[in-house]
Amino acid sequence: QKEVEQNSGPLSVPEGAIASLNCTYSDRGSQSFFWYRQYSGKSPELIMFIYSNGDKEDGRFTAQLNKASQYVSLLIRDSQPSDSATYLCAVRLDTGRRALTFGSGTRLQVQP
Amino acid sequence: EAQVTQNPRYLITVTGKKLTVTCSQNMNHEYMSWYRQDPGLGLRQIYYSMNVEVTDKGDVPEGYKVSRKEKRNFPLILESPSPNQTSLYFCASSPWGGYSGANVLTFGAGSRLTVL
Repeated sequence: QKEVEQNSGPLSVPEGAIASLNCTYSDRGSQSFFWYRQYSGKSPELIMFIYSNGDKEDGRFTAQLNKASQYVSLLIRDSQPSDSATYLCAVRLDTGRRALTFGSGTRLQVQP
Repeated sequence: EAQVTQNPRYLITVTGKKLTVTCSQNMNHEYMSWYRQDPGLGLRQIYYSMNVEVTDKGDVPEGYKVSRKEKRNFPLILESPSPNQTSLYFCASSPWGGYSGANVLTFGAGSRLTVL
């Protein structure tokens, strides 16, 4: 079982809709959760991070964390074509051995 | 400008010819790491460093070496490259600690390596 799992997609949504991206993780000791966006051929860039159960909002983005169910999600409201990218979920394990373990990413396509 | 700089950005080489990919950060970050990214496999960690002279293996260290003699630099060395090391490589750095915002990785622009 992979430590961090994401559906590879593509997830296709129309412009203006809400895109929902999901991620599950296997280690119950995980402490910190990150969402990165990666455009094709570019480096990942941080969207937001979340540490506590519940929702965290930043502009059009909302991260949701449920530690009991071991999932974290990212909602993108009012999706724009410029949001079309691969979204990487990353989890920090509690071992201190390494910073982040990444999922393989979900490709999002926002249709104009 | 705060950044992580990798060089070269693109490299085509042949099997067995030693090469080094340099990485430098100007943010005084303690933590640095190398990842490779392959289609369908996501980002996989090669090596990481918690601070100067402290390095450790990640998930896929075979065929690679690193060193951390200075805080700002973390070169990746391929002593005898093979075709299965053809990949997109990212260097990343972060502050390290238990406080909010720690462990947020800043990535370099990436180095695309082809081994023939």
